[in-house]
Amino acid sequence: GQNIDQPTEMTATEGAIVQINCTYQTSGFNGLFWYQQHAGEAPTFLSYNVLDGLEEKGRFSSFLSRSKGYSYLLLKELQMKDSASYLCASPTGANNLFFGTGTRLTVIP
Amino acid sequence: EAGVTQFPSHSVIEKGQTVTLRCDPISGHDNLYWYRRVMGKEIKFLLHFVKESKQDESGMPNNRFLAERTGGTYSTLKVQPAELEDSGVYFCASSQSQVNEKLFFGSGTQLSVL
Repeated sequence: GQNIDQPTEMTATEGAIVQINCTYQTSGFNGLFWYQQHAGEAPTFLSYNVLDGLEEKGRFSSFLSRSKGYSYLLLKELQMKDSASYLCASPTGANNLFFGTGTRLTVIP
Repeated sequence: EAGVTQFPSHSVIEKGQTVTLRCDPISGHDNLYWYRRVMGKEIKFLLHFVKESKQDESGMPNNRFLAERTGGTYSTLKVQPAELEDSGVYFCASSQSQVNEKLFFGSGTQLSVL
């Protein structure tokens, strides 16, 4: 079976750095996705990691450790518009995505 | 380029009624998925089309749900008759390739069954 755990809510200050963790258990590993979802909007793709290590994309970076079943999303220089839900998801062997419940991030001034 | 569009954005119906949700994927995307998020829970897979064929419908809750994709373009998801527990946000997503490619999601249809 599959299981994904991530914190339900986080709060961080504008301009700061925040790390959103995700731990997963999968029957087979096909990489790990992070999506961002603003309230009432479509989830949008942020990153996909299949190899261990850190991948950086501007203010957002994503890290993966396959041996530990662990990933994190790092957001730097936080802006108010980064307030959103961040969804960790793993592809199943059947080519669909298994999602965690998401982490609701609130950025405060 | 237009993204994935869903209609309606909101639907409020009474228990026992029928509702049909529509999804228009990105043009050229053969893969179309339906997902659902029930309040407070994670987004869950419902089914997957490749062109007009159902590739995987293992996530469909029961036979009150019927999805179609005639002609391999847009898709509809019909709930008949709707029950209270069907309330949630129904997302559609599409992709070109099947192999672990990122999905493009629509904004979802918020379904409320009263």
